Amino acid sequence: DAGVIQSPRHEVTEMGQEVTLRCKPISGHDYLFWYRQTMMRGLELLIYFNNNVPIDDSGMPEDRFSAKMPNASFSTLKIQPSEPRDSAVYFCASSLRGPGQGIYEQYFGPGTRLTVT
Amino acid sequence: KNQVEQSPQSLIILEGKNCTLQCNYTVSPFSNLRWYKQDTGRGPVSLTIMTFSENTKSNGRYTATLDADTKQSSLHITASQLSDSASYICVVTFYSSASKIIFGSGTRLSIRP
Repeated sequence: DAGVIQSPRHEVTEMGQEVTLRCKPISGHDYLFWYRQTMMRGLELLIYFNNNVPIDDSGMPEDRFSAKMPNASFSTLKIQPSEPRDSAVYFCASSLRGPGQGIYEQYFGPGTRLTVT
Repeated sequence: KNQVEQSPQSLIILEGKNCTLQCNYTVSPFSNLRWYKQDTGRGPVSLTIMTFSENTKSNGRYTATLDADTKQSSLHITASQLSDSASYICVVTFYSSASKIIFGSGTRLSIRP
């Protein structure tokens, strides 16, 4: 398996533009997680899905952020409109099991480095 | 307030030496604790996962310990190698009305030849 795949790896956009980040989880994994990492705040869980259904989106910073998982092999994180403070590395991770199901291994993608100017 | 604090923030040691990284948490009720290694420009990779009933877990030269009473964990690296240069992140999962995940800010480890 190729692991978790994210695209693009780097994204530079101007403030106010819409940004869409993409993730393909490991085949067979039922859980998908979106994280954001900054120097100031470290890693933060934004949202996670189980079987394509959003379970906990309490980490989504504001309404400008939205995430979807239309099928088991694809998820998007969209920021509209983008702001300079959204600049960060966004990671996607997947796992066979998830929170509340005991021990589970998460596999992270390489991340998307977003820069909003 | 549920928090995870790591120390030191950064550490420089010579190749071949041992080191210990610390993680203190105030999370309750505790579910499990993980240590991740994150190389520059890469996603985190899991090193160890421990539940409250486990005191120690090893993964090669990495050994994690957990004291659920004092809410402390440590990651010990033996005979360090240049490839150990990375950030090490402590992550605690706890269960409130739902499972929550809290990340420490990480320790940046640099190994010098």
